[in-house]
Amino acid sequence: EPEVTQTPSHQVTQMGQEVILRCVPISNHLYFYWYRQILGQKVEFLVSFYNNEISEKSEIFDDQFSVERPDGSNFTLKIRSTKLEDSAMYFCASTPSGGRSDTQYFGPGTRLTVL
Amino acid sequence: AQSVTQLGSHVSVSEGALVLLRCNYSSSVPPYLFWYVQYPNQGLQLLLKYTTGATLVKGINGFEAEFKKSETSFHLTKPSAHMSDAAEYFCAVSDTSGTYKYIFGTGTRLKVLA
Repeated sequence: EPEVTQTPSHQVTQMGQEVILRCVPISNHLYFYWYRQILGQKVEFLVSFYNNEISEKSEIFDDQFSVERPDGSNFTLKIRSTKLEDSAMYFCASTPSGGRSDTQYFGPGTRLTVL
Repeated sequence: AQSVTQLGSHVSVSEGALVLLRCNYSSSVPPYLFWYVQYPNQGLQLLLKYTTGATLVKGINGFEAEFKKSETSFHLTKPSAHMSDAAEYFCAVSDTSGTYKYIFGTGTRLKVLA
């Protein structure tokens, strides 16, 4: 069964450094999402992406964040200058058509630790 | 705005006992509701979802959930817990506009005791 993959599984970085989190969505899916979960808190929406553009973003997704689909398979989340409060589990998700009843397929997550 | 509340961040049951994980939602329109499970070191996996139609929804691994509009609830149940059910469970509602992002509850960690 096709699945969403994410790399790395765990990333440790120093405050102020740039990190890139990578995701490979399911191949025929068109809508892509990033969510994050700070330890002990809710899973929160960050951004959605369709047709090589950001479709929607949350107030968390400020100028320090960017997303890109550099080729036909990868979908990346970049944090330019990490802060301590960026430490979280980051989940990528994809869905075939972006409909309200669509199932979103999630990757296993990347745990980001900012020191 | 829509929201989801999961009562009980940790639930323990004995093997063979009933599993009941609670989820309440707030929505100004008919909601589309989802239950996901996360096993250690794995992604979120869909257990079941409710969109329209039958209010009792059956999912994978013997789980089911009932949509009760009058109670604004979508509780997850399983008649008999297995050790393999130990995991974290998330209830979510899809947003009513934009790109239909999910709005999640805080999750419930299920522990199954031998």
